[in-house]
Amino acid sequence: AQRVTQPEKLLSVFKGAPVELKCNYSYSGSPELFWYVQYSRQRLQLLLRHISRESIKGFTADLNKGETSFHLKKPFAQEEDSAMYYCALVGGGTSYGKLTFGQGTILTVHP
Amino acid sequence: DARVTQTPRHKVTEMGQEVTMRCQPILGHNTVFWYRQTMMQGLELLAYFRNRAPLDDSGMPKDRFSAEMPDATLATLKIQPSEPRDSAVYFCASGSSGYGSGNTIYFGEGSWLTVV
Repeated sequence: AQRVTQPEKLLSVFKGAPVELKCNYSYSGSPELFWYVQYSRQRLQLLLRHISRESIKGFTADLNKGETSFHLKKPFAQEEDSAMYYCALVGGGTSYGKLTFGQGTILTVHP
Repeated sequence: DARVTQTPRHKVTEMGQEVTMRCQPILGHNTVFWYRQTMMQGLELLAYFRNRAPLDDSGMPKDRFSAEMPDATLATLKIQPSEPRDSAVYFCASGSSGYGSGNTIYFGEGSWLTVV
């Protein structure tokens, strides 16, 4: 079974402060991991994926297989970063292509 | 700019009525997902299809929900009869291949359902 856990439902920081959104996963094989962002009442948008190792809007995430984590980080949060963030996993085997989401973390960046 | 298109965007209906939500995946995508989003449960996978065949609908209440892909350009999610607890945002998403491809899953704007 594949599972994604985001332990923080809510996260508040001040503008300019570093932010880290935690994500842990459970999967027996080699997963593909993603971060999606959802701004108020909008569609989910892909923020980044571990395969491409890119940085989008200043966010980065490193896959740590030892700790089964894929935490999302940004050194200096901006007010426009306030949104819902979802960590997601795509597995293989019998779950081929199945995209499983964590519960989401609501990030609020205060001025 | 290819997009997943969902209709209706908003729906208010009375308990007991049938609700049908439609999704047009991005042309060429062979995997289609239906998710339900609520404040309490977050994003729940209801069903997903590969090449129009259902792969997993274990997250869907079978007694009242049904999902189909009549053709490659249309996916439907039907609720009959609807209940107030079905009030949620229903998202459709599509992608290609899946595992190992690094392909992105694209989401529609959602169908906001309210059952009164």
